[in-house]
Amino acid sequence: AQTVTQSQPEMSVQEAETVTLSCTYDTSESDYYLFWYKQPPSRQMILVIRQEAYKQQNATENRFSVNFQKAAKSFSLKISDSQLGDAAMYFCAYRSASSGAQKLVFGQGTRLTINP
Amino acid sequence: DTGVSQDPRHKITKRGQNVTFRCDPISEHNRLYWYRQTLGQGPEFLTYFQNEAQLEKSRLLSDRFSAERPKGSFSTLEIQRTEQGDSAMYLCASSPRVGNTEAFFGQGTRLTVV
Repeated sequence: AQTVTQSQPEMSVQEAETVTLSCTYDTSESDYYLFWYKQPPSRQMILVIRQEAYKQQNATENRFSVNFQKAAKSFSLKISDSQLGDAAMYFCAYRSASSGAQKLVFGQGTRLTINP
Repeated sequence: DTGVSQDPRHKITKRGQNVTFRCDPISEHNRLYWYRQTLGQGPEFLTYFQNEAQLEKSRLLSDRFSAERPKGSFSTLEIQRTEQGDSAMYLCASSPRVGNTEAFFGQGTRLTVV
């Protein structure tokens, strides 16, 4: 079974600075997807960024980028120029690419605080 | 369409009572998922529907839990004889059939069993 581990329960960063959230995962599969989801307080979870395992290039979405290290099974999220609206729980998630496998496996989450 | 809708947003029930939650997915999405999230943890997969067919169930889904999606549109999750350990946020998500695209989540139903 696949597992996802986020070793940082809480992180804080000064507004406008850069922060990196860590995620490691365990799988025996070679083809899969990795995601970072953001869950603001009392609001629904939204996708921040997605990485396909077969792609070597790291995904980037505006101020959000990932460092995907397939051999090390590591998938960290970098947030540049942090904004107050970035404060939320961040979840790393794994999904198999095999046919029919649609469920997401989530990590425990990292609570990110932005200090003004 | 405003996204995935869940009802109710909050539910307080006495131990031993039955509760039912509803999820309305995004209209063109044929895949629907239920997850459970306890305080301070990440969501855990419960079950998955493609149209009206329930294709996968987690071992977390005990015999007190049942989920349906009778017409391939909205879904219900029922918990019978609730226990305090059932207290959690129940999240619904949906995704389109075509392609390996993201799942869109609802705001969840927070269940408190007293």
